Amino acid sequence: DAMVIQNPRYQVTQFGKPVTLSCSQTLNHNVMYWYQQKSSQAPKLLFHYYDKDFNNEADTPDNFQSRRPNTSFCFLDIRSPGLGDAAMYLCATSTPSGLLYEQYFGPGTRLTVT
Amino acid sequence: KNEVEQSPQNLTAQEGEFITINCSYSVGISALHWLQQHPGGGIVSLFMLSSGKKKHGRLIATINIQEKHSSLHITASHPRDSAVYICAVSFYGGATNKLIFGTGTLLAVQP
Repeated sequence: DAMVIQNPRYQVTQFGKPVTLSCSQTLNHNVMYWYQQKSSQAPKLLFHYYDKDFNNEADTPDNFQSRRPNTSFCFLDIRSPGLGDAAMYLCATSTPSGLLYEQYFGPGTRLTVT
Repeated sequence: KNEVEQSPQNLTAQEGEFITINCSYSVGISALHWLQQHPGGGIVSLFMLSSGKKKHGRLIATINIQEKHSSLHITASHPRDSAVYICAVSFYGGATNKLIFGTGTLLAVQP
């Protein structure tokens, strides 16, 4: 089945130790998004790619970076994780269908910072 | 004030009950999304709608564009329906589709 895959599902890293989260999709969608969701809060968009064009949200900290080497893969790099970066990280994809874009979410990676 | 408001915030129901979750929004939108998230889990898209009504199994979603209001109904509720249900809206314009999320409704269906 076509889907959005995130690896790993659970990641533990140490304070200040760089970490990379991975997202892949078999949907061949143009757009890939990264969201951060903290406990009991709504997801917060960090950035998105439309094909190779990177779009950063204004309030996304510089500590968060992203790479999209090809259509299928997108990575979230946290250069120096702090305790406040512990959260669920959600990847989503979409592609235009007329004027509408339905987003398909991955299962998420839960990041713990020790 | 949030642009997307959901009610109720918490809902407890008995198995078999008919459930309604409401969503109101204050801006013009291109589409409204209903999403489901089980505790500690990822998000599943249930519906995307821009007008009228959609049905999938025991789930029904309606939207009234003039009143800026949508409802998600669950018929014959079951404990496995226990989850957070999130309303989100998206807009025309640009090449991508940013979502604005509601605060979610935590549903617990008891056997």
